[in-house]
Amino acid sequence: QSVLTQPPSVSGAPGQRVTISCTGSSSNLGAGYSVHWFQQLPGTAPKLLIYGNTNRPSGVPDRFSGSKSGTSASLAITGLQAEDEADYYCLSYDTSLSGVFGAGTKVTVV
Amino acid sequence: QVQLQESGPGLVKPSETLSLTCTVSGASITSYYWSWIRQPPGAGLEWIAYLYYSGSNNYNPALKSRVTISLDTSKNQFSLKLTSVTAADTAMYYCASPSKDGYKYAFDMWGQGTMVTVSS
Repeated sequence: QSVLTQPPSVSGAPGQRVTISCTGSSSNLGAGYSVHWFQQLPGTAPKLLIYGNTNRPSGVPDRFSGSKSGTSASLAITGLQAEDEADYYCLSYDTSLSGVFGAGTKVTVV
Repeated sequence: QVQLQESGPGLVKPSETLSLTCTVSGASITSYYWSWIRQPPGAGLEWIAYLYYSGSNNYNPALKSRVTISLDTSKNQFSLKLTSVTAADTAMYYCASPSKDGYKYAFDMWGQGTMVTVSS
């Protein structure tokens, strides 16, 4: 069980907007540490989607956006596409645990 | 373009030491922080440790007593050793690094991963 809590799964129809939450505590997100988001397609290495709470690396579509407030962060996917079906992980620094991933959220396009 | 490639035995016996190497091409090993991350089959990601060529390092407390990481600047490689392995250490092991200044955990460079099974 991770100190960063994510929902196990979210689903949406093509074109819809979905959000994935990442809830932490005063020893990680609440302490001001950045959150990063990764997408992992089946059988592949994770890919950085969002870094430093809100920043998109070059090449990441602007359909993906990140936000953070207090002890929580969110990843939003707008205009959901079939190719977005994947596992998504948040990652931050924890003062007791160092680098820590959330348990991951499976996004299903229905 | 920076490429990372993990290598090492795919099978390790219980109680022995797991040893992996990540070979970096397209960038100097002295340029970035280098991390190891693992993922057990069907499970989530777990950060193991990072190292910078200056010696700056950090470890997952749950694994710290069993982990050694090192850099070989002459070969542009960095390595992981995990001692006293058990079946719980069976996982895909990735090497990864962040290219963004100031973000030690924003891993935008990844190897393809290498599967390690712990079994007698």
